[in-house]
Amino acid sequence: TQLLEQSPQFLSIQEGENLTVYCNSSSVFSSLQWYRQEPGEGPVLLVTVVTGGEVKKLKRLTFQFGDARKDSSLHITAAQPGDTGLYLCAGARDSNYQLIWGAGTKLIIKP
Amino acid sequence: GAGVSQSPSNKVTEKGKDVELRCDPISGHTALYWYRQSLGQGLEFLIYFQGNSAPDKSGLPSDRFSAERTGGSVSTLTIQRTQQEDSAVYLCASSPYSGRLFFGEGSRLTVL
Repeated sequence: TQLLEQSPQFLSIQEGENLTVYCNSSSVFSSLQWYRQEPGEGPVLLVTVVTGGEVKKLKRLTFQFGDARKDSSLHITAAQPGDTGLYLCAGARDSNYQLIWGAGTKLIIKP
Repeated sequence: GAGVSQSPSNKVTEKGKDVELRCDPISGHTALYWYRQSLGQGLEFLIYFQGNSAPDKSGLPSDRFSAERTGGSVSTLTIQRTQQEDSAVYLCASSPYSGRLFFGEGSRLTVL
């Protein structure tokens, strides 16, 4: 069974703090996607990482793909209330169109 | 609009009734997925359509669930004899290839 474990499941912090969300697996992925979902909406793609060791930055968000392409992290610097939402990671494999989804991290940033 | 459109956005039904949920994908997208999401949780894969190929139905939780995609475009997810455990948000996503997914806003189903 392919699993993508996401942690923490829930995180509530004050505005201005930093945080990291993790996705870990024993399986190798050809790429890994991060989505953010706000209440009442569908998930929206933030970034796709493809190369082992790759680091991508999106303003205050930094995404990293592990060297072995089995894990990934999302780091948010100086979190803002607008960052509040459910963050989902999803791994892809070359031979399969199905994405393997993490259970999500519910993030609340308090002003 | 240019995005994935789902209807209805909210559906309240009584246990035992049948429901139909509709998805209009982005024009030209050949891949279409249905997922189910319980409150604040991750996504549960239900079914996948790709072009004219036979759909992957491996995620459908029971034979009360079925889906079709007409003309390679609009898709309908049907749940027969609904049960309370079917209550969830049903998300549709389309993709121009088997990669990035574009999601609709979902159909929230409540079975009383």
